Amino acid sequence: KAGVTQTPRYLIKTRGQQVTLSCSPISGHRSVSWYQQTPGQGLQFLFEYFSETQRNKGNFPGRFSGRQFSNSRSEMNVSTLELGDSALYLCASSTGQLGTEAFFGQGTRLTVV
Amino acid sequence: GQQVMQIPQYQHVQEGEDFTTYCNSSTTLSNIQWYKQRPGGHPVFLIQLVKSGEVKKQKRLTFQFGEAKKNSSLHITATQTTDVGTYFCAGPSNYGQNFVFGPGTRLSVLP
Repeated sequence: KAGVTQTPRYLIKTRGQQVTLSCSPISGHRSVSWYQQTPGQGLQFLFEYFSETQRNKGNFPGRFSGRQFSNSRSEMNVSTLELGDSALYLCASSTGQLGTEAFFGQGTRLTVV
Repeated sequence: GQQVMQIPQYQHVQEGEDFTTYCNSSTTLSNIQWYKQRPGGHPVFLIQLVKSGEVKKQKRLTFQFGEAKKNSSLHITATQTTDVGTYFCAGPSNYGQNFVFGPGTRLSVLP
């Protein structure tokens, strides 16, 4: 079956702009989690969506938001971009049951200049 | 809050040497998972351990879950250049989010 698809793969934005990233999970998976990965901070949890509802949220400012559609595809939005938002953004797909393995997408590399 | 720590942060080994990374959780885990991320790639699931004291092997990789279910280890025997990457452990959060990841151990293998 097809894996987790993230688009776009690379993105360059200017400070102050906003950006939307997309994630299509594995067919049948209802949970999509988003992570920010930077060299110094590792994998930082942003939020998780399950059946169109945000189920969990990490410690990120309100500039980071997301949503999930009825087909389980998810989008993540970052408004008023800052230089520190430059990172690899990964989404992970799972069935949503606690403790089940996560399947990661290739990620979107966001560079803010 | 719940924390998952890993040591060492970095490890450089000569090809053929063994390698071990340790994972410690501040809370008891119902299970623990290990992921590998190659340079430039994304994390890929390796294995899940569930039982106290469980040991699982995948070829040259040996995974162990502590008796108290608060720590785990990954041991690689006779490393190869294909083992290069960052190894993460992850456990279910006590606060609702699906996974809490450790900071990872970056392994370099010198040929």
